[in-house]
Amino acid sequence: DAKTTQPPSMDCAEGRAANLPCNHSTISGNEYVYWYRQIHSQGPQYIIHGLKNNETNEMASLIITEDRKSSTLILPHATLRDTAVYYCIVRPSGTYKYIFGTGTRLKVLA
Amino acid sequence: DVKVTQSSRYLVKRTGEKVFLECVQDMDHENMFWYRQDPGLGLRLIYFSYDVKMKEKGDIPEGYSVSREKKERFSLILESASTNQTSMYLCASSLDSYNEQFFGPGTRLTVL
Repeated sequence: DAKTTQPPSMDCAEGRAANLPCNHSTISGNEYVYWYRQIHSQGPQYIIHGLKNNETNEMASLIITEDRKSSTLILPHATLRDTAVYYCIVRPSGTYKYIFGTGTRLKVLA
Repeated sequence: DVKVTQSSRYLVKRTGEKVFLECVQDMDHENMFWYRQDPGLGLRLIYFSYDVKMKEKGDIPEGYSVSREKKERFSLILESASTNQTSMYLCASSLDSYNEQFFGPGTRLTVL
């Protein structure tokens, strides 16, 4: 079973920030939070991951709450090409196993 | 950039046929994976390989086998295809267990 809970769908206006929430209330101390996205009919694409500090890369920012029970993925300036299903995954350090849930279907509107 | 390629984007086979799905990665990654993706069920791990000739069963290995004779290539084999194996098959690779997985484009297999 997936260890994360995400809203099934969200809309965002093009050019605005998209904030995608994820609840992982049972996360353990050695579990990382990973975000992937899947554009229709393609393989999942890695976005970002973190343990407890906030992270930023060229694609997105990841904000993890202090108690680590939830996180938010931020796409700072959403474009139409960001329309995809976004998956939040928790994964223990040093293990290969990902458990994908059903994700959030983000629709960026022109 | 890491590149994971899969031999076919779309494949149609008949029940009982032996089916080979090939995956190649070009970044010298240790780990390779095969998943299937079905609506409402998400991605489920079929098999995993952490080294040449080494493999481990994932969550749903029944009806599948794998082969890894070279580090860069990981094959999924359906010994006798059945209609319930109609699915999207995704291959992934990672440098090791501590790093993120990179996925291929997927093979949409239809078994008639």
